[in-house]
Amino acid sequence: DAKTTQPTSMDCAEGRAANLPCNHSTISGNEYVYWYRQIHSQGPQYIIHGLKNNETNEMASLIITEDRKSSTLILPHATLRDTAVYYCIGLRRGSQGNLIFGKGTKLSVKP
Amino acid sequence: NAGVTQTPKFRVLKTGQSMTLLCAQDMNHEYMYWYRQDPGMGLRLIHYSVGEGTTAKGEVPDGYNVSRLKKQNFLLGLESAAPSQTSVYFCASSLVLGGETQYFGPGTRLLVL
Repeated sequence: DAKTTQPTSMDCAEGRAANLPCNHSTISGNEYVYWYRQIHSQGPQYIIHGLKNNETNEMASLIITEDRKSSTLILPHATLRDTAVYYCIGLRRGSQGNLIFGKGTKLSVKP
Repeated sequence: NAGVTQTPKFRVLKTGQSMTLLCAQDMNHEYMYWYRQDPGMGLRLIHYSVGEGTTAKGEVPDGYNVSRLKKQNFLLGLESAAPSQTSVYFCASSLVLGGETQYFGPGTRLLVL
């Protein structure tokens, strides 16, 4: 499974877009990029995943570079409730392997 | 739907005591997982199950046992608790093995003295 690297922490102003980067230079062709987040003291929450095309859902957008070595999670209009730790994970879908949660990025949305 | 529920929410044990954590899901998911999360760390997989009656070891299985007698329930047992098992335990379930949309419970906080 791909090793991912994320910044330890980021700040974002409320109402602005939050752009969270993730490097996954060792990702293989059949590994998806998954994003989860964990709001303080709660269980992780799935956000979005993608293989090579950009993806968008009601929560966020995922932009994956053409070489697939990095991606960016975009929260278009961050709110205070988006303050959380965001995890970027590389995994082959349906794999016997499992989600490996690193330390993630602590996003603080400030008023 | 309740999703994934965990019982109890919080527990204090003395070293050497035993206990069972219960996870229940009402989404008819085949796959279920137990993770632990220590302060400032990401989640680590303890055990998982690919269906009723089957279990497998994860990254940190030592000191824990699990059972999946019913599809909707996944039990995590500590036979002889140790202070190193002080942690927050999360249960999850999913339709697809491994990735995509694992639904997590609210967690059980365990303190072993």
